[in-house]
Amino acid sequence: QVRLQESGPGLVKPSETLSLTCNVSDGFIGNFYWSWIRQTPGTRLQWIGYISYNGLRAYDPSLKSRVTMSLETSKNQFSLKVRSVTAADTALYYCGRCSAAGRCYWGQGAPVTVSA
Amino acid sequence: EIQMTQSPSSLSASVGERVAISCQASQAINTYLQWYQLKPGKAPKLLIYDGSHLETGVPSRFSGSGSGTDFTLTISSLQPEDVAIYFCQQFDDSPFTFGPGTKVQIK
Repeated sequence: QVRLQESGPGLVKPSETLSLTCNVSDGFIGNFYWSWIRQTPGTRLQWIGYISYNGLRAYDPSLKSRVTMSLETSKNQFSLKVRSVTAADTALYYCGRCSAAGRCYWGQGAPVTVSA
Repeated sequence: EIQMTQSPSSLSASVGERVAISCQASQAINTYLQWYQLKPGKAPKLLIYDGSHLETGVPSRFSGSGSGTDFTLTISSLQPEDVAIYFCQQFDDSPFTFGPGTKVQIK
């Protein structure tokens, strides 16, 4: 079974850019949707978006203006960037591999705190 | 955006008891509904996909039903290892929204 591991700085200053990468154990074989979700301190889950195997992107409208997702297939990684962060972006971020039917496998998550 | 609601927000039941969690979508989503289990420090675990299909490796005491706007996750015999938060997620239309979660505890 595929293993996914998130990595990145655990602390980001307000107004700066949050950057996370997700390492994919099996590489980018198959037609999958490489996805991000986050869990807020209140334990709500929010879907952030995906980048597909062929480069299509879909983002949550509330985050769309600040989010960029990229594939780095040569490194077996994909990435998430969130610009102009605020305290509301403090969360546990999960990366995942999803099929077209919505069957998703997720990493164990990377905590990110936004604070000066 | 499709809004998802869940009830109850939390429940406490005895080991061996049957437990049911409801999930409702603000508009019809066919059967494009997944159920996840979330435990602290662990990856979200897919239990049920497409409304009623049991994910590989998930115990058969978990089952899902429903279509359209109303869905149910049932645990036929609650076990101590089932203590977790359970979320539904619609996969019918982007953004793929989650319900607010149901916290399950042992009485």
